[in-house]
Amino acid sequence: GQQVMQIPQYQHVQEGEDFTTYCNSSTTLSNIQWYKQRPGGHPVFLIQLVKSGEVKKQKRLTFQFGEAKKNSSLHITATQTTDVGTYFCAGPWGAQKLVFGQGTRLTINP
Amino acid sequence: ETGVTQSPTHLIKTRGQQVTLRCSSQSGHNTVSWYQQALGQGPQFIFQYYREEENGRGNFPPRFSGLQFPNYSSELNVNALELDDSALYLCASSLGVFTDTQYFGPGTRLTVL
Repeated sequence: GQQVMQIPQYQHVQEGEDFTTYCNSSTTLSNIQWYKQRPGGHPVFLIQLVKSGEVKKQKRLTFQFGEAKKNSSLHITATQTTDVGTYFCAGPWGAQKLVFGQGTRLTINP
Repeated sequence: ETGVTQSPTHLIKTRGQQVTLRCSSQSGHNTVSWYQQALGQGPQFIFQYYREEENGRGNFPPRFSGLQFPNYSSELNVNALELDDSALYLCASSLGVFTDTQYFGPGTRLTVL
């Protein structure tokens, strides 16, 4: 079945440092979605990428979708304590389910 | 606009019991999906309901079942609870099927003793 892998599993940074998480799918994706889950909270939608090679920015967050539509990345510039949480990528498997990666947990030293 | 709500917030059951979890979808959404999230893991898709019909199912046994009602609210039922069923159960609503943004509820934390 389809697998969505994320690396790293954990990342600890000093506040102000950059952070990147990578997502790789075993199959080509029609789109990829990114979610953020704060500690004790629920996943919250961040963005969806659809086009091959697409790059989208949300303030300090930059999202990329690979040319082959099998990988994606999320980069945060100059992290802040509000960025703490677990970042998940998710891709549709056929038209029947959304497969989530295992997430990258970001912790920040203020 | 009302967001996704779930009840109860927390639940403690013993092995072998049955449980029903409830979800009200976001206003205007006709699709509800259920996910199981074990500690430290990503959400695992259980099944999806679209206009009261099951529209897809993940790798969960038949003792996990569900319903969607005409107002698009939904229930997740789990029979013969096992210790490994302890997890956060998330409901997510969307405008359509899986290519659409999932709006998650706060979840129900189920503990099986």
